[in-house]
Amino acid sequence: GQNIDQPTEMTATEGAIVQINCTYQTSGFNGLFWYQQHAGEAPTFLSYNVLDGLEEKGRFSSFLSRSKGYSYLLLKELQMKDSASYLCAVRDSNYQLIWGAGTKLIIKP
Amino acid sequence: IAGITQAPTSQILAAGRRMTLRCTQDMRHNAMYWYRQDLGLGLRLIHYSNTAGTTGKGEVPDGYSVSRANTDDFPLTLASAVPSQTSVYFCASSDTAGGTDTQYFGPGTRLTVL
Repeated sequence: GQNIDQPTEMTATEGAIVQINCTYQTSGFNGLFWYQQHAGEAPTFLSYNVLDGLEEKGRFSSFLSRSKGYSYLLLKELQMKDSASYLCAVRDSNYQLIWGAGTKLIIKP
Repeated sequence: IAGITQAPTSQILAAGRRMTLRCTQDMRHNAMYWYRQDLGLGLRLIHYSNTAGTTGKGEVPDGYSVSRANTDDFPLTLASAVPSQTSVYFCASSDTAGGTDTQYFGPGTRLTVL
């Protein structure tokens, strides 16, 4: 079967750095996405990786290793507004997105 | 309209009733999707449409139907609602013509079936 694993919840301190991991086992691979979802709101797109390596976008970076079936989202200089759920999704061989259950990130002052 | 809109925002429905959730996008995206999101689970695909006039089944299609008469609209119908269909429903769209084919989401419909 297809599976996306992420930690259920993480806690970090304002101003710090946090890394959210995602491991996947899917039938085929055509890209990996990270989305942010604030409570009661829609998911919003953060990043996309299709080749191995690090993609940097301001305070957020995303890393991919296809051989390990592994990605992480790195958030730097954490702000209170970063408190949200972070969703990892992999596009499989049928070009459908398979979603993880999400990681709830709690930021403490 | 900017992006994707969904209606209603929330609804309480008696079991056995018929309900249509509406979704409209103004980005001229060719592909559209319906997901449900339940606590502790990832988003699950119900139905999708790669282009106007075509639809396909996702992971959890039973009890739901869709139509895609034009590019902009993609309604989701529950023919006879059951309590297990209580969920938050998100519509999404993407441009599959090139690039990353990123999906963009509407604000969601919170549905409670009693």
